Amino acid sequence: AQSVTQPDIHITVSEGASLELRCNYSYGATPYLFWYVQSPGQGLQLLLKYFSGDTLVQGIKGFEAEFKRSQSSFNLRKPSVHWSDAAEYFCAVSPGTYKYIFGTGTRLKVLA
Amino acid sequence: DAGITQSPRHKVTETGTPVTLRCHQTENHRYMYWYRQDPGHGLRLIHYSYGVKDTDKGEVSDGYSVSRSKTEDFLLTLESATSSQTSVYFCAISATAGTDLNEQFFGPGTRLTVL
Repeated sequence: AQSVTQPDIHITVSEGASLELRCNYSYGATPYLFWYVQSPGQGLQLLLKYFSGDTLVQGIKGFEAEFKRSQSSFNLRKPSVHWSDAAEYFCAVSPGTYKYIFGTGTRLKVLA
Repeated sequence: DAGITQSPRHKVTETGTPVTLRCHQTENHRYMYWYRQDPGHGLRLIHYSYGVKDTDKGEVSDGYSVSRSKTEDFLLTLESATSSQTSVYFCAISATAGTDLNEQFFGPGTRLTVL
């Protein structure tokens, strides 16, 4: 069965530090991969997506993610975190149909 | 931002009462979805629609029904609300599915509390 794992429930980083949020998926082929961000009380906003091609994907707000087929991973990174990045981050996979499978989310806290 | 609105944004109701949540889009997208978000579970699909009057069940559809009589509106109904349906409900839309355009755009959510 398809699944998505975000192993870190909470992550705390200092402002200006680098960030990496982990996402691992289970799927027989290369799925469509997404990262969403949710600020408190808000809906989900798409940060970036991967369908094919270059495995390093650039997104909005200075985020990037790298698809590694051998590790079934799609980790989200940012070189320097800002206080406004504090939010919850969701990884999602889709086999290319209507169906999305979401991870359980990683809540990011940023220390001033 | 995609034109998606949800109403109401907050609702408190009592066990056993019917509740209808509305999702309205101005993007003319074919696909619409209802999810619920609960701590520790991420988002789980309740129902989805692939066209007017065309709907199907998601992974957590028990206790919910949906209707889509117009492209722009997708209604979620709890026929008899239970406390286990206390959650935040999100509507999403996508232009298509199965292609590189199947990214989903989300509404602002409805917080439902069933007492």
